[in-house]
Amino acid sequence: EPEVTQTPSHQVTQMGQEVILRCVPISNHLYFYWYRQILGQKVEFLVSFYNNEISEKSEIFDDRFSVERPDGSNFTLKIRSTKLEDSAMYFCASTASYEQYFGPGTRLTVT
Amino acid sequence: GENVEQHPSTLSVQEGDSAVIKCTYSDSASNYFPWYKQELGKGPQLIIDIRSNVGEKKDQRIAVTLNKTAKHFSLHITETQPEDSAVYFCAASKENTGFQKLVFGTGTRLLVSP
Repeated sequence: EPEVTQTPSHQVTQMGQEVILRCVPISNHLYFYWYRQILGQKVEFLVSFYNNEISEKSEIFDDRFSVERPDGSNFTLKIRSTKLEDSAMYFCASTASYEQYFGPGTRLTVT
Repeated sequence: GENVEQHPSTLSVQEGDSAVIKCTYSDSASNYFPWYKQELGKGPQLIIDIRSNVGEKKDQRIAVTLNKTAKHFSLHITETQPEDSAVYFCAASKENTGFQKLVFGTGTRLLVSP
């Protein structure tokens, strides 16, 4: 069964550094998302992406965040100048129509 | 914007009992309501969803009901098993193919005791 994959599973970085979180969506899906989940809290929408453009972003997705689909299969989330409060699980999701399928997540720890 | 409330935050049942988790939403334009199961250390897994043109949907031991007038929807799990233990999230979105961000509830930790 096709699934969304994410790498790395855990990323530790120092405050102020840049990180890139990688996702491989399900191959025939056209819509991609990033969500964030701070430990013990609900899942929060960050950004949606379609046809190589951001279609919607939340207030969490500030100027330090960017997304890219560099090669037709990967979908990346870059966070520049990381802050302590960026520490969270980051989930990638994709869909062909309505049902969104989530990856296993990347745990980002900013120290 | 949309706000989704979910209750209870924790639910403990005995194996074989039924479990019910309830959610309310605020935006009457929302029309797609999925439920996700999240096991420890894993991503949310879609288990069932419902669109606003139906009032109930069932898949084996799980069912979801929707009351559009009251703006609430519920997940029903019958004959619970220990492997049903997980955190369950409801979500809502305005169904606009592909462009629908999900707004999640706060989650319910379900514990099924043998």
